Amino acid sequence: EADIYQTPRYLVIGTGKKITLECSQTMGHDKMYWYQQDPGMELHLIHYSYGVNSTEKGDLSSESTVSRIRTEHFPLTLESARPSHTSQYLCASTPSPTISNYGYTFGSGTRLTVV
Amino acid sequence: AQSVAQPEDQVNVAEGNPLTVKCTYSVSGNPYLFWYVQYPNRGLQFLLKYITGDNLVKGSYGFEAEFNKSQTSFHLKKPSALVSDSALYFCAVRDPPYSSASKIIFGSGTRLSIRP
Repeated sequence: EADIYQTPRYLVIGTGKKITLECSQTMGHDKMYWYQQDPGMELHLIHYSYGVNSTEKGDLSSESTVSRIRTEHFPLTLESARPSHTSQYLCASTPSPTISNYGYTFGSGTRLTVV
Repeated sequence: AQSVAQPEDQVNVAEGNPLTVKCTYSVSGNPYLFWYVQYPNRGLQFLLKYITGDNLVKGSYGFEAEFNKSQTSFHLKKPSALVSDSALYFCAVRDPPYSSASKIIFGSGTRLSIRP
């Protein structure tokens, strides 16, 4: 079983609320990623981090922000949720210095619904 | 940039029949290729990878994939499908292939449906 945890699994929240999606891994992986995925659709990279205090924006523009204060923790925050943010958010990690022998380990995802 | 394409949105197979989920890649140099599976309301699970060596790669749950350099393909296969194989399957490539800063680029996904 993967040692990467996302909470909550499901979240229904009102427009304008601030939310934080949690992602934690116990594997000591340096690299962590956030993907956004509409149900049954392709994945879009929105944020990634190569280590503590390192964060980068991904290929898909997102109004969310991330932080990486500790190696094991990579939370994603939406300051003001909107219905367009309704989606599934997947967190993943992989060890450095190379991903060639590992691929990614994924969490179970957070399904966010903004009403 | 490296990329992968999954030409089929959906593949339907009867239980017990062989299955193939197609993937083609576009890379410069030798590719690092992956297959992942996603069950409903779950994250992605790593199935198998090709880095180098034998063109036929064996992975989890009885799946295998054949790397074909001349056809730039990395099709996922299984000799006998199970209903429990029904899921969303993603092909992926490492971009760029030789950098420690590389990321995995995912295809658009193929939904595999196995009927009893």
